[in-house]
Order: sequence, then C-alpha cells, then structure tokens
Amino acid sequence: GAVVSQHPSWVICKSGTSVKIECRSLDFQATTMFWYRQFPKQSLMLMATSNEGSKATYEQGVEKDKFLINHASLTLSTLTVTSAHPEDSSFYICSAREREFEQYFGPGTRLTVT
Amino acid sequence: GNSVTQMEGPVTLSEEAFLTINCTYTATGYPSLFWYVQYPGEGLQLLLKATKADDKGSNKGFEATYRKETTSFHLEKGSVQVSDSAVYFCALSIYNQGGKLIFGQGTELSVKP
Repeated sequence: GAVVSQHPSWVICKSGTSVKIECRSLDFQATTMFWYRQFPKQSLMLMATSNEGSKATYEQGVEKDKFLINHASLTLSTLTVTSAHPEDSSFYICSAREREFEQYFGPGTRLTVT
Repeated sequence: GNSVTQMEGPVTLSEEAFLTINCTYTATGYPSLFWYVQYPGEGLQLLLKATKADDKGSNKGFEATYRKETTSFHLEKGSVQVSDSAVYFCALSIYNQGGKLIFGQGTELSVKP
C-alpha cells in the first residue's frame, strides 16, 4: 500500500517556541491531507483538512493562528505549532489521499512541550 | 451531529477466542463505515469498510456488517491470534464532506498465548 511518513517521530520543545512537523506521501500524489490530534487512550480528533495549493480548512475550536498548516506540494504538508504550551503536548497524526481514494496514515509525531 | 461510539477497552482474550468489538454511530447524512487498526509504533491501517446498508466488509478473518436499522458496525473475528493485538478504531465518513473521518475512541485488544 501507499506510504505516508512523518518527521520527526518525537520532539521535545520549550514552552513559547514553535515546532514544525512534516508529513510526506512517498509514492503517490496527495491531493488532500488531514491532520489529527490524539490524546492518550482517546480518539483521533480532526484538526484540519488541506488541499494542495489552497488554504487549510480548520475544524471548529482549532486555532488556525496557533496550528499553521501548509500544503505546498502534492507530497508534503507541514503543521507548525506556534508558541507551544504544555497543553499542546499530544500525538499528532497526518493522513493523505489521492483524489477520492483511500486515506493513508502516517505513524504520528509525539510532541512534548516542557 | 455525527459521532461514533465503541465499546471500551482494554479487551483481553486468549488465543483462538472469538472477538466482538461493538461500534454504533449517529450520522446526519449517509455514512460509509470503516474499521482501522493501529499496531504498536505504526500508523493506522484500513482493516475493512462498508459503504451501504447490509454490506459486509471483511479482511484477514475480520468481518463487520453495516446495520442501518441498529446503526451499528460491530467487528468480529472467529479466532484471534497474538498478532491481532492492537488498537481498533471504528470510523465513519459522510458523502460529500471531503473524506473527513470521524473516529470512535478506540478499543485496545490484547491477545494472550
């Protein structure tokens, strides 16, 4: 099946700094990418949907100025957590799909803000 | 609104036992239903899906039937293996909503030899 990678797999940053997470589709063109957040023992919550070349659509309650999403190419989307705080610590997961086909998920990035 | 509810875990079974993980949903539109599996350290993988009422999805010995009358999509397997130990997520997507997935809370399955 198709492969989606995320980098880094784990990051620790200090409160007030920004951190960027990359999501790449390795063997297909991702016309749409999704970003999810997962708390321990809880479900995945969709944060935003991004289509290549256009602005991301954020779910209700997600601060677009805090979670900056860029989908600059058909194989790369980035999520930047700006001015991170400890409550932003979480597991961030991306998924990607080509047109109406199946979504493929990345392995996730664990963010710890100290 | 749209939501998915799964039975709580963790579920612990002995090898070769029968597995059922319950999933029910509410949807304002006409949903497609999915089961995803997350093995330790890996990303979510699609296990099976069903796109209309009475469809049965199946894969790797797992099955689930789309029951519109009971708004359910329960996951079953007749004989589990240690390698089935993972977290299982039930999810739905609504036609014409851009492929967004709404997930249940996940059910952790542990199979002991």
